[in-house]
Amino acid sequence: ELKVEQNPLFLSMQEGKNYTIYCNYSTTSDRLYWYRQDPGKSLESLFVLLSNGAVKQEGRLMASLDTKARLSTLHITAAVHDLSATYFCAGGPPMRDKIIFGKGTRLHILP
Amino acid sequence: EPEVTQTPSHQVTQMGQEVILRCVPISNHLYFYWYRQILGQKVEFLVSFYNNEISEKSEIFDDQFSVERPDGSNFTLKIRSTKLEDSAMYFCASSDLASGRSLKTGELFFGEGSRLTVL
Repeated sequence: ELKVEQNPLFLSMQEGKNYTIYCNYSTTSDRLYWYRQDPGKSLESLFVLLSNGAVKQEGRLMASLDTKARLSTLHITAAVHDLSATYFCAGGPPMRDKIIFGKGTRLHILP
Repeated sequence: EPEVTQTPSHQVTQMGQEVILRCVPISNHLYFYWYRQILGQKVEFLVSFYNNEISEKSEIFDDQFSVERPDGSNFTLKIRSTKLEDSAMYFCASSDLASGRSLKTGELFFGEGSRLTVL
């Protein structure tokens, strides 16, 4: 059964700094997702990564996928307060419908 | 932009009562899901639904739970006899995995959630 582990689970950082959230998964996953959740809100899709070496960028966020290492990263460049949220990665077991979520990384960016 | 809508946004019920949560998925999506999240913690898979039947379910989705797509647009989650531990945010999601539009991304689009409080 696919397991998805994120680290760190909590991250407090200063505005303007760079940081990376790591997402490891236990078995083969043919797709990897990153979602953002603001407190009390729904899950917003950020990135979908489908192949080894995939890299996607949106603003100050960049996601990458290394299927051989079973690792995805979400890199934050020059963080701003608006990026404070919980970030989830999720993986999809091959030929299965469900998506399994990690525990989430609660990101707090200090002004 | 098409979106997933859920009702009610918040429901308070007594333990042992039946609850139905409703969802209208994005119209051209073919896969539908229910997830739950307890107190902002992990997002847990409950069930997936395709072609008018359950395609997968988790251990959480026991005999107290059922899903239905009664009329081709609504997708419902029923909890027959609620327990205190059923208190959570329930999210409906839909996916275009098989729609042929987007290279099978399987990206889930989530509704705003229904908060269930069991007293």
